[in-house]
Amino acid sequence: KAGVTQTPRYLIKTRGQQVTLSCSPISGHRSVSWYQQTPGQGLQFLFEYFSETQRNKGNFPGRFSGRQFSNSRSEMNVSTLELGDSALYLCASSLDDRGTVSGANVLTFGAGSRLTVL
Amino acid sequence: AQSVTQLGSHVSVSEGALVLLRCNYSSSVPPYLFWYVQYPNQGLQLLLKYTSAATLVKGINDFEAEFKKSETSFHLTKPSAHMSDAAEYFCALRGIQGAQKLVFGQGTRLTINP
Repeated sequence: KAGVTQTPRYLIKTRGQQVTLSCSPISGHRSVSWYQQTPGQGLQFLFEYFSETQRNKGNFPGRFSGRQFSNSRSEMNVSTLELGDSALYLCASSLDDRGTVSGANVLTFGAGSRLTVL
Repeated sequence: AQSVTQLGSHVSVSEGALVLLRCNYSSSVPPYLFWYVQYPNQGLQLLLKYTSAATLVKGINDFEAEFKKSETSFHLTKPSAHMSDAAEYFCALRGIQGAQKLVFGQGTRLTINP
């Protein structure tokens, strides 16, 4: 069973540019969430998508956006890049467990996309 | 508000020694708790999870963690450290109402000395 695939793995951009990152979830997983990892702030939740709808959003500026397609693949976009956006962006997928009492569905993470802003 | 605190950003142990990584949480609802490991240039890999079924949870690679509600703790242990355990470890919390959002601790970097 293929894992969560993120592309590209590494990229370099300059301030003011925009970037789009892609995430293909595990087959059958319908929920995709994104996290930003930096040395200073650690791992922070960006947003979550399910059935092409954003269900939850973290405390990030509007420059950070995302979407999910009908095949559950997701993209996130960062516009007007700033130096502080340099980070590892992690995507995670899971089965959706809303409405169950278990809550035990686990997030499976991809290897991440490392963005460097110069 | 939910939060996770990992005590000690760096832990160093000798090969064969006990590994103990500390995690305390704060949650207004019964939490689901997780430990993830991250190797260099990789994503996060699940070690184990607590979902209220049992307070002592066993995970992969001989790791285990014990949920202690009275102490709001979920410490990770391994009886005998191996060189391959060197990595960064993250404790995470997810509340029932939190959907797929995880709140992570700051991480603990584990170093194994030969």
